[in-house]
Amino acid sequence: GQSLEQPSEVTAVEGAIVQINCTYQTSGFYGLSWYQQHDGGAPTFLSYNALDGLEETGRFSSFLSRSDSYGYLLLQELQMKDSASYFCAVRDLDSNYQLIWGAGTKLIIKP
Amino acid sequence: NAGVTQTPKFRVLKTGQSMTLLCAQDMNHEYMYWYRQDPGMGLRLIHYSVGEGTTAKGEVPDGYNVSRLKKQNFLLGLESAAPSQTSVYFCASSYAGREQYFGPGTRLTVT
Repeated sequence: GQSLEQPSEVTAVEGAIVQINCTYQTSGFYGLSWYQQHDGGAPTFLSYNALDGLEETGRFSSFLSRSDSYGYLLLQELQMKDSASYFCAVRDLDSNYQLIWGAGTKLIIKP
Repeated sequence: NAGVTQTPKFRVLKTGQSMTLLCAQDMNHEYMYWYRQDPGMGLRLIHYSVGEGTTAKGEVPDGYNVSRLKKQNFLLGLESAAPSQTSVYFCASSYAGREQYFGPGTRLTVT
């Protein structure tokens, strides 16, 4: 079966940099996605990595290492509006390429 | 351009009652999904569709049925609601399965 692990909660200071890790176990890995969800809101897409390396989109970057079954989301210049839950999700052959989601990491930002 | 819309936004059912949740998208996406999200957890896929007239089971399909008679609509049915189906239900759509766009969610309580 598939499984994903990410920390349940991370705390950081406004203006700082924070990294949210995600490790996964799948037998037919296809790609790793990251989504942001504010309390009471819907998930919104942040990034997708299918190949090893770093993808940068503004203040957010996402990294993937397929050999280590590991990825992370890097948030720079943290703003209070970045307080949210962040989910990693794997596209996997065994799930017919549908997303299997982690339990989410709640990011708390302090002024 | 409304994106993905869901109706209703809130609903309270008694055990054994039935209901249908409606999802509509105006982005001409082929792929549509129904997820449930329980407190403190990631999303779990109930059913999905890769095109008009097709549906497939996801991770937690029991107790739910779906139909995709028109490309822009994806209906989720609960034939006999149970308290275990109390959850937030999200619909999503995607062009090719990589980046998913979510509706605002339906908060369902079964008493």
